[in-house]
Amino acid sequence: SQQGEEDPQALSIQEGENATMNCSYKTSINNLQWYRQNSGRGLVHLILIRSNEREKHSGRLRVTLDTSKKSSSLLITASRAADTASYFCATSGSSNTGKLIFGQGTTLQVKP
Amino acid sequence: NAGVTQTPKFQVLKTGQSMTLQCAQDMNHNSMYWYRQDPGMGLRLIYYSASEGTTDKGEVPNGYNVSRLNKREFSLRLESAAPSQTSVYFCASKPGQYHEQYFGPGTRLTVT
Repeated sequence: SQQGEEDPQALSIQEGENATMNCSYKTSINNLQWYRQNSGRGLVHLILIRSNEREKHSGRLRVTLDTSKKSSSLLITASRAADTASYFCATSGSSNTGKLIFGQGTTLQVKP
Repeated sequence: NAGVTQTPKFQVLKTGQSMTLQCAQDMNHNSMYWYRQDPGMGLRLIYYSASEGTTDKGEVPNGYNVSRLNKREFSLRLESAAPSQTSVYFCASKPGQYHEQYFGPGTRLTVT
């Protein structure tokens, strides 16, 4: 079963706009990660936020985590056509196996 | 570094045939993972190997077997392929002390 539910499933914006995608999960976590997948390619790690963190930044990316609501959001500011991809959240539990449970993803299209 | 490599890139099987998907990483990572991705869905964990010499079932292990041949290589075997195993298969690896996973480019498998 999927841990995460992502919202929206698809998002289309103009270049320069901000894109926000949300992820909800069901069980307690050690950390939550966001990955990007370009069409026909493997996943690339974007950012990780630990369960004791509330916000994290990396370049044009901003991630928030609300453990009380079991939810996270990924904000991409000043989007570019190259940001067109699918974005997945993934949660890691307390074990040290590194197992990840992925959400279903948000497909982002940035129009030039 | 080549990162995580997977062979083959594409494969078509008939129902009942067997095959092995190969994965290798040259980053000296301890943990390796096999996922499948079905259309419109996130990734689901099939099997993982937290360290050399160990393997464990993930969320969807039925119909698959794995071998952690050495630290570099982790193979996935379909003994008797079924149409329900039509999917894109991704291998990933993770260094011991960090959380993010590094993904291969995927194998697109069709079972007719």
